[in-house]
Amino acid sequence: GQQLNQSPQSMFIQEGEDVSMNCTSSSIFNTWLWYKQDPGEGPVLLIALYKAGELTSNGRLTAQFGITRKDSFLNISASIPSDVGIYFCAGYSGGGADGLTFGKGTHLIIQP
Amino acid sequence: NAGVTQTPKFQVLKTGQSMTLQCAQDMNHEYMSWYRQDPGMGLRLIHYSVGAGITDQGEVPNGYNVSRSTTEDFPLRLLSAAPSQTSVYFCASSSGLKNIQYFGAGTRLSVL
Repeated sequence: GQQLNQSPQSMFIQEGEDVSMNCTSSSIFNTWLWYKQDPGEGPVLLIALYKAGELTSNGRLTAQFGITRKDSFLNISASIPSDVGIYFCAGYSGGGADGLTFGKGTHLIIQP
Repeated sequence: NAGVTQTPKFQVLKTGQSMTLQCAQDMNHEYMSWYRQDPGMGLRLIHYSVGAGITDQGEVPNGYNVSRSTTEDFPLRLLSAAPSQTSVYFCASSSGLKNIQYFGAGTRLSVL
């Protein structure tokens, strides 16, 4: 099946720093989604991207749909303690509910 | 706004026991899915449904059964639990438009 390579696997940063994570694939996707999961909760959608080259912001979060449709990145500016969690990328290639492929997640840890 | 509701939140089973994980959504979504989340593995699709009466297998279906008698409900059954099924299980639903999936809070299952 399709696979997404998400990196980095974990990040240890200081509060106030900017964060960048990305996902790459050998296959083309029609939609890229970024989710955040807090401890003990289900993933929550942060940003959805629908067009190659699209750049979308949601507060301090910015995500881009790669021009080749095989990659996407998520940036978080001026990190705060509540940004701690696991961030997942997901790609949709089409074909129904089974078309959503998830990356393995980036675990964001903010050091005091 | 309930969204996707999963019950129970926690469950401990003995090997060989059976149980049903419940999932209900009140958004009139056609698509529903079950995922399991294991450390370092991300989210893996177990089964999914594109509408009432229709189900199909995902990436890791062995040991699990599903049915979809109504639009709202999508239960996941473990017929004979095994320790390898210790995991966190998430149910998700989608309207099918752009395939944005909304997740429940999860069921944490331990099989001893």
